[in-house]
Amino acid sequence: DAGVIQSPRHEVTEMGQEVTLRCKPISGHDYLFWYRQTMMRGLELLIYFNNNVPIDDSGMPEDRFSAKMPNASFSTLKIQPSEPRDSAVYFCASSPDWVRKTAGANVLTFGAGSRLTVL
Amino acid sequence: GNSVTQMEGPVTLSEEAFLTINCTYTATGYPSLFWYVQYPGEGLQLLLKATKADDKGSNKGFEATYRKETTSFHLEKGSVQVSDSAVYFCALMKGFQKLVFGTGTRLLVSP
Repeated sequence: DAGVIQSPRHEVTEMGQEVTLRCKPISGHDYLFWYRQTMMRGLELLIYFNNNVPIDDSGMPEDRFSAKMPNASFSTLKIQPSEPRDSAVYFCASSPDWVRKTAGANVLTFGAGSRLTVL
Repeated sequence: GNSVTQMEGPVTLSEEAFLTINCTYTATGYPSLFWYVQYPGEGLQLLLKATKADDKGSNKGFEATYRKETTSFHLEKGSVQVSDSAVYFCALMKGFQKLVFGTGTRLLVSP
């Protein structure tokens, strides 16, 4: 299993530009999460999906952020327009369904992250 | 609401020293508790977990015991190695709600 795959690993862009981060979850995982990590605020949950449906987007900072999951194997997090305060590492994570979790499966598997720098 | 409090870092130790990273939580009922580790340039990885009171999670020489009476889940290792240098996150989950992470504690181990 290749794990959770994120792209790009590094992105440098200028303020005002659109940024799209991509995630491929582990095959068979029903849940997908987007997190943001910064020195100031630590690890924040932005949004999560269950079976491709957004369940809780209360962590999305503002309307400039949007996330989609068009199918079970792909999700995007888009920032438009980007601002310097959006600079952070964005992690995608996936998880098996609740039944498998209680049987001892790993709760969350994280990707390696996408480091975003907005100048 | 549910929350996790970790000790401030960095924790700086010499190789083979004993490690304790404190974690306490606030939650109703009986959450599941976790330690995740983040090595430089990587995502978080599950290190160990405990799902009920008095359970002990263990992995790679690390241990943590779920203490309901003190609402704690302290991480310990008897002899740290340089390769253990990383950021350690305590987390809890109640039912199937989102995982709530602590702020992380950086561990630096010198030879």
